[in-house]
Amino acid sequence: AAGVIQSPRHLIKEKRETATLKCYPIPRHDTVYWYQQGPGQDPQFLISFYEKMQSDKGSIPDRFSAQQFSDYHSELNMSSLELGDSALYFCASSQTGLSGANVLTFGAGSRLTVL
Amino acid sequence: KQEVTQIPAALSVPEGENLVLNCSFTDSAIYNLQWFRQDPGKGLTSLLLIQSSQREQTSGRLNASLDKSSGRSTLYIAASQPGDSATYLCAVSGDYKLSFGAGTTVTVRA
Repeated sequence: AAGVIQSPRHLIKEKRETATLKCYPIPRHDTVYWYQQGPGQDPQFLISFYEKMQSDKGSIPDRFSAQQFSDYHSELNMSSLELGDSALYFCASSQTGLSGANVLTFGAGSRLTVL
Repeated sequence: KQEVTQIPAALSVPEGENLVLNCSFTDSAIYNLQWFRQDPGKGLTSLLLIQSSQREQTSGRLNASLDKSSGRSTLYIAASQPGDSATYLCAVSGDYKLSFGAGTTVTVRA
């Protein structure tokens, strides 16, 4: 079965550079979520999109932005990178429907290292 | 704001012992609760999903219970093996997102 695809799997950037992470949800899933997991920490919710509209926002820095495209894939753009942005970034998708109930399937994650 | 707590933070047991991992949450208005396994530096593997209307779910040596009214879930792993060594995270589902606990890191000694 198709899973959530994230790219790239690994990314190394310098401070103040920009990075873009991509997420391809499971077919027919209408909601995408982004999570950030720092070393030794639990995943922190960043942002989610339902039917291409932002549905919820968590602890996402102003330097980060994200969007969901017409084909439901999503991109997380991170600018003015800081050392503290080094983390594992997970994307998840779900078929949410109207109730907001969700069963999330996670991608393998994108590891960002900022030097 | 949903707060998810997992106790203990770390657990070390000899092979063959049963594992009991606890998860508590503050807001009982959840849609479901998931248990995940995470190996160091790796992704999240979903182990069990319990819908809010269910009391427990079982898969092989794993059994998870849910008491929504008291805001608690317990993951039982029977007859632990060294391959069970990992961090186990519970996550509760509210509107449009999951809230994670900090995890319990399990070490099973051979």
